[in-house]
Amino acid sequence: ETGVTQTPRHLVMGMTNKKSLKCEQHLGHNAMYWYKQSAKKPLELMFVYNFKEQTENNSVPSRFSPECPNSSHLFLHLHTLQPEDSALYLCASSQDEGASSEQYFGPGTRLTVT
Amino acid sequence: GQNIDQPTEMTATEGAIVQINCTYQTSGFNGLFWYQQHAGEAPTFLSYNVLDGLEEKGRFSSFLSRSKGYSYLLLKELQMKDSASYLCAVRDGDYKLSFGAGTTVTVRA
Repeated sequence: ETGVTQTPRHLVMGMTNKKSLKCEQHLGHNAMYWYKQSAKKPLELMFVYNFKEQTENNSVPSRFSPECPNSSHLFLHLHTLQPEDSALYLCASSQDEGASSEQYFGPGTRLTVT
Repeated sequence: GQNIDQPTEMTATEGAIVQINCTYQTSGFNGLFWYQQHAGEAPTFLSYNVLDGLEEKGRFSSFLSRSKGYSYLLLKELQMKDSASYLCAVRDGDYKLSFGAGTTVTVRA
C-alpha cells in the first residue's frame, strides 16, 4: 500500500462511452499526476496538478479531461477514446513539485478500449 | 524531448550482483530517480541522486555522474523477489520528470 488508491482497477469501454477514473491519496501531498504506461514504452506524463491548479498538460488529446476538486482527489474523464488509448493509467502524488520529491504511485487502472 | 536510455532486459542468478545502467540527455538536470515496478503493481521509489557519487541503501546502491549523463543501479545479493522492472527517471531543468522505458530484471534460481 502506497497511500494512493485508484478505481476502477480494470475498465473495458467502447469508443463511444464516457467513463471516469478516480484517484485518491491519503498522504497529505499537494501535487498529483496522471501517467499513461503502455507496454515496452516509458511512462508518459499526462497532467500535473499542484495545490489543485493544473501546472502541466503534456499535449494530451482533449478526449482526456482531468479534474482536481481538492488536493486529495484527482479524476480523469474519458470520452470517445481510441483503441490506441488502451494502456495502464497510473496516478501519483508527491509532497510538492520540488526537485527531490519522490512520487508515490497508485496501482493503476488497466483500460481496454474496444 | 528528453532522451533516457536503459537496457530492456537483464537476467542474473540468485545471490549475484546486477548493474542496471541509465544514460540521459536532458535540458538541465535536477535529479535522477530509480523506481521498482513488479508486474501488475505500482512503481515504488528506490533512490534519488542529485550530486555525483554513490548512494547506498541496504542491498541497493545508485551512482550518478552528471558530467557523463550516467547513472547505475546496483542490486547485490539478488533475491527472487527482486525480479521486476526498474525505471530510471530524470528531472530536467524545468523540473519536469521523464522516465526511461524500464529494465526488466529476471532472477533465476
